[in-house]
Amino acid sequence: DQQVKQNSPSLSVQEGRISILNCDYTNSMFDYFLWYKKYPAEGPTFLISISSIKDKNEDGRFTVFLNKSAKHLSLHIVPSQPGDSAVYFCAASRTTGTASKLTFGTGTRLQVTL
Amino acid sequence: NAGVTQTPKFQVLKTGQSMTLQCAQDMNHEYMSWYRQDPGMGLRLIHYSVGAGITDQGEVPNGYNVSRSTTEDFPLRLLSAAPSQTSVYFCASSYSGPARQQYFGPGTRLTVT
Repeated sequence: DQQVKQNSPSLSVQEGRISILNCDYTNSMFDYFLWYKKYPAEGPTFLISISSIKDKNEDGRFTVFLNKSAKHLSLHIVPSQPGDSAVYFCAASRTTGTASKLTFGTGTRLQVTL
Repeated sequence: NAGVTQTPKFQVLKTGQSMTLQCAQDMNHEYMSWYRQDPGMGLRLIHYSVGAGITDQGEVPNGYNVSRSTTEDFPLRLLSAAPSQTSVYFCASSYSGPARQQYFGPGTRLTVT
């Protein structure tokens, strides 16, 4: 049961244009959403997050939008740069009691072309 | 400040062998976790710990054991390796839980033959 879905395995965008990565979730109890970026042979690195009480969070070139009614979030990268080429994972957290767990999507490979 | 370190980087095991993947962090983080990454599956949580002496199961705990005797270390033990445990393993830590930024180690690539 895939609770966090990234339906696009790959995305190719030209340098300077906008990259939009999408993520859908099924569990309405998720209360925090995060995006991680991963380069080959490295561990994931945190990019940006958003609480379920917000609908937008911005950090430099990266903006995450949350649509709770649609159970959908997206990551916008503007402008896209060649160094953004990586695999992007969407993740969702649900706090239960004193602990919380993170559920990851399957990832979208972004390629930014010159 | 080394962040999160993992050893070894690569390991090949025969079916039935046991081993321990090491993970250490020097950021005084309370929350630590282990994930495995398989093609097309994303990262799946194996076990996690909210502090020294406290561990709990994640999504795919079978065949793995953990303990947390210190804040810094969170080893993952494979009790009897199986080919299905061939994967890349990542350890991560954060100050207060996975809803906050987690710092990941570089990973251990394990092959079980």
